Amino acid sequence: QAGLTQPPSVSKDLRQTATLTCAGNSNNVGDQGAAWLQQHQGHPPKLLSYRDNNRPSGISERFSASRSGNIASLTITGLQPEDDGDYYCSAWDSSLSVWVFGGGTKLTVL
Amino acid sequence: QVQLVQSGAEVKKPGASVKVSCKASGYSFSSHFMHWVRQAPGQGLEWMGIINPSVGSPGYSQKFQGRVTMTTDTSTSTVYMELTSLTSEDTAVYYCARETGSFDSWGQGTLVTVSS
Repeated sequence: QAGLTQPPSVSKDLRQTATLTCAGNSNNVGDQGAAWLQQHQGHPPKLLSYRDNNRPSGISERFSASRSGNIASLTITGLQPEDDGDYYCSAWDSSLSVWVFGGGTKLTVL
Repeated sequence: QVQLVQSGAEVKKPGASVKVSCKASGYSFSSHFMHWVRQAPGQGLEWMGIINPSVGSPGYSQKFQGRVTMTTDTSTSTVYMELTSLTSEDTAVYYCARETGSFDSWGQGTLVTVSS
């Protein structure tokens, strides 16, 4: 199944801002927006935001999502060591009738 | 709080089937659809399908159509995912995830290893 496109890796310094991107098309990201998930090694993913910028309760305001056309973005401000991990975007694809995921971005906090 | 507790790790031979369970608690079981997502070792996430627990109606990714069956037992608030005709390509951690706008709560994962 076709997936979303994410850069494989991003490195940023502690306390800096990271912006992760996720490219889709008009049938997925451009249609109903994207969700963002964080995953640490050996743990299940954790939802950070959905349908562009809806944050579940308990998720820090340092995480904010947005969308421009078919590209979704996740901005993480004031990077902390615990932000180190893998980040996945996901969207419902109305043409394929599947949820599609990006390949994930490995965020390294230096 | 919402909890999804999955069954334990499995080792299967090629050609066999596996059935993974996911027991929900802390919320109204019938009010939320449940996804199944898998993750091969060192790889990304792959959506397998979704089921409506209140009526038991599933929707599967075409990739798994014919090999996967998702069912529910409302009396125990448990959803099941059975995958047949296993190959080494099915070695992965299998997750259930509750649907609330997206995948808002996840089980701990069940490692399924397919090896002769």
